[in-house]
Amino acid sequence: GAGVSQSPSNKVTEKGKDVELRCDPISGHTALYWYRQRLGQGLEFLIYFQGNSAPDKSGLPSDRFSAERTGESVSTLTIQRTQQEDSAVYLCASSLASRAGGGDTQYFGPGTRLTVL
Amino acid sequence: AQSVTQPDIHITVSEGASLELRCNYSYGATPYLFWYVQSPGQGLQLLLKYFSGDTLVQGIKGFEAEFKRSQSSFNLRKPSVHWSDAAEYFCAVFTGGGNKLTFGTGTQLKVEL
Repeated sequence: GAGVSQSPSNKVTEKGKDVELRCDPISGHTALYWYRQRLGQGLEFLIYFQGNSAPDKSGLPSDRFSAERTGESVSTLTIQRTQQEDSAVYLCASSLASRAGGGDTQYFGPGTRLTVL
Repeated sequence: AQSVTQPDIHITVSEGASLELRCNYSYGATPYLFWYVQSPGQGLQLLLKYFSGDTLVQGIKGFEAEFKRSQSSFNLRKPSVHWSDAAEYFCAVFTGGGNKLTFGTGTQLKVEL
């Protein structure tokens, strides 16, 4: 079946511009996550959506970062006034969120490589 | 706060040789542990996971990992590496709250033919 998809696959932008990254989760997955992967580093958690609950935004690095999700479908991550340090691969993941204690397997998309000049 | 350490940034092995990638975590209780693999241009793929029970976990592609509570480790092993195993490997821990994963910095595996 279809996996997690992300668009665009690559985005080059100028410092100060706003960008929008899109994630289409696996159908039926109620949980959606955004992570950032900087060059040579592990993934950093950004934000987590679960159904209609308030999102967990604890990983967003600044107020320039925001994300939305429509129901249990598409999510967009928006970065305003981009800075060079925002250059990274942004990964989206989704899961069924079926385990009461958490720890569900997260399925990752291929990522969006963002380059801020 | 929970953390994951992968002490080896790069590892090179010959095809057919055995492999062990190290992962140590810091957390007070028993965590849920994962190993993911990332091939160039690909998203992360789950290799295996440990929640409870048998401490030796079998995964896909012939990989296994052993949870050792006394050492706070969850090392990934494969008895015979194939050239297609060249990729970056990430250990991750879920420790509750927010359902987010904390990842190690990854180990880049190179396989020599």
